[in-house]
Amino acid sequence: AQSVTQPDIHITVSEGASLELRCNYSYGATPYLFWYVQSPGQGLQLLLKYFSGDTLVQGIKGFEAEFKRSQSSFNLRKPSVHWSDAAEYFCAVGAFSGGYNKLIFGAGTRLAVHP
Amino acid sequence: DVKVTQSSRYLVKRTGEKVFLECVQDMDHENMFWYRQDPGLGLRLIYFSYDVKMKEKGDIPEGYSVSREKKERFSLILESASTNQTSMYLCASSPESGGGTDTQYFGPGTRLTVL
Repeated sequence: AQSVTQPDIHITVSEGASLELRCNYSYGATPYLFWYVQSPGQGLQLLLKYFSGDTLVQGIKGFEAEFKRSQSSFNLRKPSVHWSDAAEYFCAVGAFSGGYNKLIFGAGTRLAVHP
Repeated sequence: DVKVTQSSRYLVKRTGEKVFLECVQDMDHENMFWYRQDPGLGLRLIYFSYDVKMKEKGDIPEGYSVSREKKERFSLILESASTNQTSMYLCASSPESGGGTDTQYFGPGTRLTVL
């Protein structure tokens, strides 16, 4: 069955440090892949998406993600984290599952940023 | 900018009450979705709609119903609220082009507490 795994439930980094959030998916066809961010008490905001083409995708707020088909991964990266990046991050795959098209979300990774 | 609004940010109801959660989008999107979000479980799809007066069950429809009388409005109904429906509810919309696998735009969420 199609699924998305975010292995890290919580991550803490220091401000200015680099960041990588992991995402692995299970899907037979070429997936549509997304990263969303949720600030406390807010809805989800799209950071970036991959549909096809260049496997390195640039997003908003200085984030990027790389699609690696051989590893079934779509990891999110940022070279230097800011305190305002503290939030919960969700990886999702767009897939045909259960008889309809839908987004399948991972459980999320909560990011804390130390000053 | 796509704007998705939800009628309430916080709601407290009693067991057995009928609860209405309203969602309105202003981008003329065909597709609308209702999710619930619980810690450690990510987002789970409750119901979705690809057109006016159309509705389809998602992964966890039990205890919920929906209504879409106008294109811009999608309502989630809890016929008889129960404590296990205490959760964050997120509404989303997306354009027709990709159906459920296209980018979805989220509202700010309604945190529902059932006592």
